[in-house]
Amino acid sequence: DAKTTQPPSMDCAEGRAANLPCNHSTISGNEYVYWYRQIHSQGPQYIIHGLKNNETNEMASLIITEDRKSSTLILPHATLRDTAVYYCIVRVPGPGNEKLTFGTGTRLTIIP
Amino acid sequence: NAGVMQNPRHLVRRRGQEARLRCSPMKGHSHVYWYRQLPEEGLKFMVYLQKENIIDESGMPKERFSAEFPKEGPSILRIQQVVRGDSAAYFCASSPKTGNTGANVLTFGAGSRLTVL
Repeated sequence: DAKTTQPPSMDCAEGRAANLPCNHSTISGNEYVYWYRQIHSQGPQYIIHGLKNNETNEMASLIITEDRKSSTLILPHATLRDTAVYYCIVRVPGPGNEKLTFGTGTRLTIIP
Repeated sequence: NAGVMQNPRHLVRRRGQEARLRCSPMKGHSHVYWYRQLPEEGLKFMVYLQKENIIDESGMPKERFSAEFPKEGPSILRIQQVVRGDSAAYFCASSPKTGNTGANVLTFGAGSRLTVL
């Protein structure tokens, strides 16, 4: 799986958009980008994933650069409940590679 | 549609005792994963199982730890002769049968917190 680099921490004002970057410069053509988050003491929660196109769901948007070497997770209107550690994971899904390997992630703090 | 169910949520054991943690995957999911999170540390993969098979146990400590996912019933993570260093949160996740569709999303339970006195 490709290595990812994320800033260790970020702050964002409540109600503003939170933009969390992730670098994955060694990503290969068939590797997907996944985002999970872990709110304090809870189990990790899936947010979104994508291959090359930008993706949006009810939780967030995922913007992947054209060269796929980096991506940004966008929480459009951050609330205090979005305070969590956010993990960017890159991997090829499918048989033989099912597990997720978590890095250190970005600790996002939403400021009232 | 219940999510991934883990029990007990909290477990206290004295050194040398055994700890058993149970995980019931989401309905329709046939794959189970166990992760450990030591205090103030990240999530570490331990083991991945399908029904009656251990697929990947590369993250399991070599001694005292074992996992199973029987044909019937929940997956069990068993820790024998617990030591204080085993105190951690143990998370279980499940996923449906994998394919090359890009989904392959893991759903996590709320975790079991083991405290060894």
